[in-house]
Amino acid sequence: GAVVSQHPSWVICKSGTSVKIECRSLDFQATTMFWYRQFPKQSLMLMATSNEGSKATYEQGVEKDKFLINHASLTLSTLTVTSAHPEDSSFYICSARDPRTGGHTEAFFGQGTRLTVV
Amino acid sequence: GQNIDQPTEMTATEGAIVQINCTYQTSGFNGLFWYQQHAGEAPTFLSYNVLDGLEEKGRFSSFLSRSKGYSYLLLKELQMKDSASYLCAVLDSNYQLIWGAGTKLIIKP
Repeated sequence: GAVVSQHPSWVICKSGTSVKIECRSLDFQATTMFWYRQFPKQSLMLMATSNEGSKATYEQGVEKDKFLINHASLTLSTLTVTSAHPEDSSFYICSARDPRTGGHTEAFFGQGTRLTVV
Repeated sequence: GQNIDQPTEMTATEGAIVQINCTYQTSGFNGLFWYQQHAGEAPTFLSYNVLDGLEEKGRFSSFLSRSKGYSYLLLKELQMKDSASYLCAVLDSNYQLIWGAGTKLIIKP
């Protein structure tokens, strides 16, 4: 089946630094990828929709200058958390749907990235 | 607005059966998904329903009633490894996934 790979699986960084998270679709081309954030004991919160070759679409309340999304190719989207602060510590997950199966398909998730800002 | 409701937490006994309900009000409907998520891990796909009725897949079954905006996930012969959160998600008219808050299922021996 379709596979989405996310890297790194966990990262600890100092406050004020930037962290880049990669999301790759391994056996299909994903024109659209989704970035989610999940705080402990809460559901997935969609942050933004990453569109290949164009600007990402951010959900209300998500700072686009803080969470930079780049979808430079059909198999790679990156999320950069800039000037990270402890409140950005969370579980970040990407997902994509295989366009070959049409819109009626499950989302495949990356492994998730546990970000801890100290 | 769009809304998906599911119980916050449920407890069941190993070997028993449990039913997790999900009700939804969304802008359009293009299918309902159930995902399993273990703590600290990404969700994994369990089932997809777009037509009314019951879909069975091994120990897990999922039911949908579009007229009632209602679905349930049925887990049989519960095992300790089934302890996880179960997420209900609806694909709306724009093909956006709308997520429920998840139901934490606790399995006791």
